[in-house]
Amino acid sequence: AQSVTQPDIHITVSEGASLELRCNYSYGATPYLFWYVQSPGQGLQLLLKYFSGDTLVQGIKGFEAEFKRSQSSFNLRKPSVHWSDAAEYFCAVGDPRGGGNKLTFGTGTQLKVEL
Amino acid sequence: DAGVIQSPRHEVTEMGQEVTLRCKPISGHNSLFWYRQTMMRGLELLIYFNNNVPIDDSGMPEDRFSAKMPNASFSTLKIQPSEPRDSAVYFCASSRTGGHQPQHFGDGTRLSIL
Repeated sequence: AQSVTQPDIHITVSEGASLELRCNYSYGATPYLFWYVQSPGQGLQLLLKYFSGDTLVQGIKGFEAEFKRSQSSFNLRKPSVHWSDAAEYFCAVGDPRGGGNKLTFGTGTQLKVEL
Repeated sequence: DAGVIQSPRHEVTEMGQEVTLRCKPISGHNSLFWYRQTMMRGLELLIYFNNNVPIDDSGMPEDRFSAKMPNASFSTLKIQPSEPRDSAVYFCASSRTGGHQPQHFGDGTRLSIL
């Protein structure tokens, strides 16, 4: 079964600084990969996804993520963080080998932005 | 376009009572998911449906939990009898068929069992 690890529970960055949130997965092949963001009191919103092709994917709100097969990673990045980016971020993997639409979520990284 | 609609947004009830959470998926989506989110356990998949048929209910914690999807536009998650440890935020999500299709989440139901 696949698994997802987000090693950082909390991250604090200054507004305008760059951001990288880590995500590592365990899977025998290339899984479907997703990043979601959750603001307080709201559901999860899709930021971006990867399932094939160019390993650098662009998402909404200026986020991007890079799939690195050799490192089993799918880290999320943003060059300049805005105060409104403060939220919780979840990495998720899906199984292309017949797992249907079922996703396995990481435990999330809480991002705090200092003004 | 309307997103996933969940009701109620908040529910406070006493232990032992029956609780029913409702979800309307996005039109045209054939997969529907129920999740539970708590501080201790994070986001857990309870059950999911494809074309109104339950596919995987291995995450349903106990027989007190049941879920139905009588048609493509409506699903319920019922807890009977409810217990304080069921307090959590419950999310419904829907997607088109296909593992690469993203799930779209509702805003959740915050459930408090006293």
